[in-house]
Amino acid sequence: DVKVTQSSRYLVKRTGEKVFLECVQDMDHENMFWYRQDPGLGLRLIYFSYDVKMKEKGDIPEGYSVSREKKERFSLILESASTNQTSMYLCASSLNKGGKDQPQHFGDGTRLSIL
Amino acid sequence: QKEVEQDPGPLSVPEGAIVSLNCTYSNSAFQYFMWYRQYSRKGPELLMYTYSSGNKEDGRFTAQVDKSSKYISLFIRDSQPSDSATYLCAMIIGGYNKLIFGAGTRLAVHP
Repeated sequence: DVKVTQSSRYLVKRTGEKVFLECVQDMDHENMFWYRQDPGLGLRLIYFSYDVKMKEKGDIPEGYSVSREKKERFSLILESASTNQTSMYLCASSLNKGGKDQPQHFGDGTRLSIL
Repeated sequence: QKEVEQDPGPLSVPEGAIVSLNCTYSNSAFQYFMWYRQYSRKGPELLMYTYSSGNKEDGRFTAQVDKSSKYISLFIRDSQPSDSATYLCAMIIGGYNKLIFGAGTRLAVHP
């Protein structure tokens, strides 16, 4: 079974802090993704990565950055946290299987509150 | 118009009922279709994955895709209280691996 592990289930931070959310997958997947999920807005893609040291902006990258130094680990960084970044953050990974898109597998999420 | 439309519910059914969950989409380029189940305070869990029109069955779950009508469905037979969750449809344009999600339908199965 695919295991995507997010380092924290719940996190409380203050406005202006730099926040790191960590995600690790154990299935040697090439692709990794960060989403946020908000009531009424659904899941929105923040950033994704197809390979180590590679990143692509998703639909809502403003205020975020990412880091992928190792294949199994994908970090989301809130450069200067703001209250509108209070949300559920979900990490996902998927396999590159030439020519056929593979489904994404999700972690259990980090519920982040910015005070 | 959203690319993927899904009725948010809530949908409330008695235990043992057949549940039908649906999504419509507007982009004919979508090729791969998924259903995820999400329990409260957990991440989405993959239930079904298909890339062709027709039916795919897995236990009590059947996924149906009609590309000509741009319509996908998930059927749950003999529904159980443990099926109470939010069900998200998702789809991908081939080669991009960027999932487009529906809003999710909240399902409650009562004993």
